[in-house]
Parts: sequence; C-alpha cells; structure tokens
Amino acid sequence: DVQMTQSPSTLSASVGDRVTITCRASQSFNNWLAWYQQKPGKAPKLLIYAVSNLQSGVPSRFTGSGSGTQFTLTITNVQPDDFATYYCQEYNSYVWTFGQGTRVEMK
Amino acid sequence: QLQLQESGPRLVKPSETLSLTCTVSSVSITTTNYYWGWIRQPPGRGLECIAVLSYSGSASYHPSLKSRLSVSVDTSKNQFSLTLTSVSAADTAVYYCARHFYGIGLESWGQGTLVTVSS
Repeated sequence: DVQMTQSPSTLSASVGDRVTITCRASQSFNNWLAWYQQKPGKAPKLLIYAVSNLQSGVPSRFTGSGSGTQFTLTITNVQPDDFATYYCQEYNSYVWTFGQGTRVEMK
Repeated sequence: QLQLQESGPRLVKPSETLSLTCTVSSVSITTTNYYWGWIRQPPGRGLECIAVLSYSGSASYHPSLKSRLSVSVDTSKNQFSLTLTSVSAADTAVYYCARHFYGIGLESWGQGTLVTVSS
C-alpha cells in the first residue's frame, strides 16, 4: 500500500506569505495526486488534481507540482480564507490514501 | 446540481453494526467513470478512505477494515451504503460519502455525519 507523508504538520504564516507543503509517497506512481483544503466542521474541498491541474473555481494562487514520489502544494500570497488544513491524496490505488494533513495557521 | 447526503444512526453501541447510506441526486451512480467513496475522519484527526465503489458496482476496501466492511448499491434509489460490523470506539468518526470522477479526484462531497460508538 502507498503511504503518503506530508510535511510540515503545522505551518505558521502571515497574509501575503508564500507557503509550500510537501507530500512524499512511499512508492512512485502516475500523476494521480490531488490536494484538498478542509476547514473546521466542513467537508474537504478539491483544489488541485492530477498533480498540477487547478479545479474549477479555485484561485490561481494555489499551484501544485511534482512527480514520482514528491509533490508540493504552494500558496502564493496567502489570504485570510486560506488558513485551513490541507491534505494530499493519491488516487492511483484501488482504495485511496491521504496524507496526514498540514494545518496552516495564522502567525 | 450534484448532491450527496449521508444518512443513518448517529449512535451505535460497541460490538454492533454501523450502517450508513449515501443518497445521490442529479446523476446516476452507474454513470461511466464515476467512483464513489466512503471517507472517515475521527475527531481531531485526518482523512481515511475506507471503501471505493466503481460505477460498475465493484468494491474495494481498506485492508485493515476488509473483514468488517461491505458496501452495496441500490440503483433504484440511486444510493450506496456502508456496513461496518463489530464496531468499537475507534470507529467513532465523521463519515463522508464523495464522488470521484476518473482522473479528477473527489470533486463532490456530502456534508458528513458524525457516528459515535458508545454504550
């Protein structure tokens, strides 16, 4: 089974900052990698699919990149609405695996 | 507009069976290239995909839950269901159903339902 490891677990940022979250897979797979944003009490929201494709309606300050076993989510010019928890997810397997999450908090 | 709605008991006793149903509106669950997932999230913790159901009706399960878990489909009601037997406190979680479009990811989610396992 693929394991997905995110880092850091928590990240402190200010409005206007650029932040990067890393997701490392235990084995290489194709580009079926997504990123989600989750706010307290809400369902996750798809931000990025297939590593680098922006889901419709998602601001362009969110970008995804990577390949093989290492992937990143970058938020450029962090906005107040971006303080949330972010998860990577592989969907190459029959049952999909999420990273453990990265909480982006206000500095 | 696609909607997914989870329903089922909110409180289950230890050793009993947890059953949830996801009702899908606006699209048939048998539509090609749609996959349907059950994802759970224990309080204060991360997301765990526990079952995936394909548009053709085949199911895959998380290895650690495979012996206790099953999913089924009712195409006449456009629903899919989850059954988890012999539950314990470790199964307390918010349970989400979600739709995955092939190659895109989980682009539609239900609101989630908190199921508590307690006597």
